[in-house]
Amino acid sequence: DVQMIQSPSSVSASVGDRVTITCRATQGINTWLAWYQQKPGRAPKLLIYAISTLQSGVPSRFSGSGSGTDFTLTINSLQPEDFATYYCQQGNTFPRTFGQGTKVEFK
Amino acid sequence: QITLKESGPTLVKPTQTLTLTCTFSDFSLTNVGEAVGWIRQPPGKALEWLALIYWDDDKRYSPSLQSRLAITKDTSKKEVVLTMTNMDPVDTATYYCARQFFYGPGGGNWFDHWGQGTLVTVSS
Repeated sequence: DVQMIQSPSSVSASVGDRVTITCRATQGINTWLAWYQQKPGRAPKLLIYAISTLQSGVPSRFSGSGSGTDFTLTINSLQPEDFATYYCQQGNTFPRTFGQGTKVEFK
Repeated sequence: QITLKESGPTLVKPTQTLTLTCTFSDFSLTNVGEAVGWIRQPPGKALEWLALIYWDDDKRYSPSLQSRLAITKDTSKKEVVLTMTNMDPVDTATYYCARQFFYGPGGGNWFDHWGQGTLVTVSS
């Protein structure tokens, strides 16, 4: 199985900050990387797919980058509604696998 | 508006079989590339992918759980059913179903719509 290793596991930030979350795959996954946002008690929401393509309706302050095995989610100018847990997921091979999550918390 | 909703027991006893139904609307699961998957999340923990069924009835399972899982679909009822045998307290989790959408050759396949999830507790 491809393991997806996210870091950090949590980050404390303030409104207006830039937040960067990284995700490393234990083997190359081409461009098949997505990011999801999950708020407490809610289902995950697809934010970005194919490394850097924003899902319809997702604000442009979210961006994704990377290649091969190393990927990054960046949130520019953090907004109050962005405090949540973020997961990466690879779609290159079965079984599909998710990272362990990164919680973005109020500083 | 695409929706998915999970239904099934909230409490099962150890060794019992869990049957969950995902009822979906506004897509057919008959179009090329469409699929529905199941993902679970133990309380306070990460997401775990379980199984997937494609429009053409191709099925994929988590290798670690494959011997316990079965996924089926009934497109006339717009339902996807997941069964998991020999339930254990470690299987306590919120179980989600989600549509996997094909974003084209350069876009890949991703879970673009999710159900609200159903919490299943395994306890005697």
